[in-house]
Amino acid sequence: EVQLVESGGDLVQPGGSLRLSCAASGFTFSNYHMVWVRQAPGKGLECISFITSTSSTTSYADFVEGRFTISRDNAKNSLYLQMNSLRAEDTAVYYCATYCTKCSGAFDSWGQGTLVTVSS
Amino acid sequence: DIQMTQSPSSLSASVGDRVTITCRTSQNILTYLNWYQWKPGTAPKLLIHTASTLQSGVPSRFIGSGSETDFTLTISSLQPEDFATYFCQQSINTQFNFGPGTKVDL
Repeated sequence: EVQLVESGGDLVQPGGSLRLSCAASGFTFSNYHMVWVRQAPGKGLECISFITSTSSTTSYADFVEGRFTISRDNAKNSLYLQMNSLRAEDTAVYYCATYCTKCSGAFDSWGQGTLVTVSS
Repeated sequence: DIQMTQSPSSLSASVGDRVTITCRTSQNILTYLNWYQWKPGTAPKLLIHTASTLQSGVPSRFIGSGSETDFTLTISSLQPEDFATYFCQQSINTQFNFGPGTKVDL
């Protein structure tokens, strides 16, 4: 069974940094492209970042503006999101998800999310 | 960026009703359109990918259709567990834009 478990969410002050982790199990992590998606309170879903299975390609949403970095360690079956210069508007539940190549790029498995709160 | 719109933003329905949600995109995305269901406190769930392909394990009452810029999600007979928010998403490029959502409530 595919399992994705996010961690690292916390209360952080504006301008601060946080590193989120996503532990994967139940599938061959190194074969899958991965994404980070967030949902602010009462808002919709936003895709933050995408990374290919070998880390050869990454992409980011425009609103990231160079503040976030996605990475992965296939030996540890883990995905990461380093977030710097955090703003109040980054407050959200952050999910990691698998990119399904056979599903035209849909996100077919999701973690339960980790809450990031940016506030002074 | 591809702009995504959904209508309606919310709707009220009863068990057994046929419900239709529309998603429109600002650019031709062929059939790179996916639908998700979300309930508070849970992770989003993929229902339909490639505009009309039912994800494994999803009940057949969920029906997707459309192409290019106009897409529809239909729930043929609403069940109690279907009260949720539904999002469309484009996957033709790696911005993976989502629609604003349609909340289906009782």
